[in-house]
Amino acid sequence: DGGITQSPKYLFRKEGQNVTLSCEQNLNHDAMYWYRQDPGQGLRLIYYSQIVNDFQKGDIAEGYSVSREKKESFPLTVTSAQKNPTAFYLCASSTELNRGDTQYFGPGTRLTVL
Amino acid sequence: KQEVTQIPAALSVPEGENLVLNCSFTDSAIYNLQWFRQDPGKGLTSLLLIQSSQREQTSGRLNASLDKSSGRSTLYIAASQPGDSATYLCAVWGSGYALNFGKGTSLLVTP
Repeated sequence: DGGITQSPKYLFRKEGQNVTLSCEQNLNHDAMYWYRQDPGQGLRLIYYSQIVNDFQKGDIAEGYSVSREKKESFPLTVTSAQKNPTAFYLCASSTELNRGDTQYFGPGTRLTVL
Repeated sequence: KQEVTQIPAALSVPEGENLVLNCSFTDSAIYNLQWFRQDPGKGLTSLLLIQSSQREQTSGRLNASLDKSSGRSTLYIAASQPGDSATYLCAVWGSGYALNFGKGTSLLVTP
């Protein structure tokens, strides 16, 4: 089955730790995105990538970092600089960075800071 | 900055009712509008995508309309079922490189 996988489903982090969220897609999509969702809020864009080895900051990139070394993979690192990282994180992809394309979403990772 | 608003925030209806979810956006210069469904603790599933040149899209019991000039879209669900219970999110592609989302409408359909 083609789709987007995210792991782990649940992640717990201690104060001061960096953690990395995995996102993999086998849809052969060029564009990938990371969103953050807080309770009762809409999704907010953290980073996006148009192609391998290229990525751009979204609206709330502070305290986060990404890499795009392979087309299929777009991992997100939540650093200790992120002041309030507890949230639901969603990865998405589309065929290209084209405003006409549907975005496909993964199942999400719920991060909790202890 | 594009602002997307969804009304109502929550809705409870008995099974079988037809219902309308509303979405409004502040900047009418959009490329498309998408409706998504989100089940609790899950990712988003795309329901309908309306290009800016289109007026509506239909899929099964779902119909979405777009009035770009007035900054409004509606999602019509016919003959609602308990399985339709979920949060429905509206999102628009504007001048940026990602979607702008509303906060969603939480729908509960009771048997």
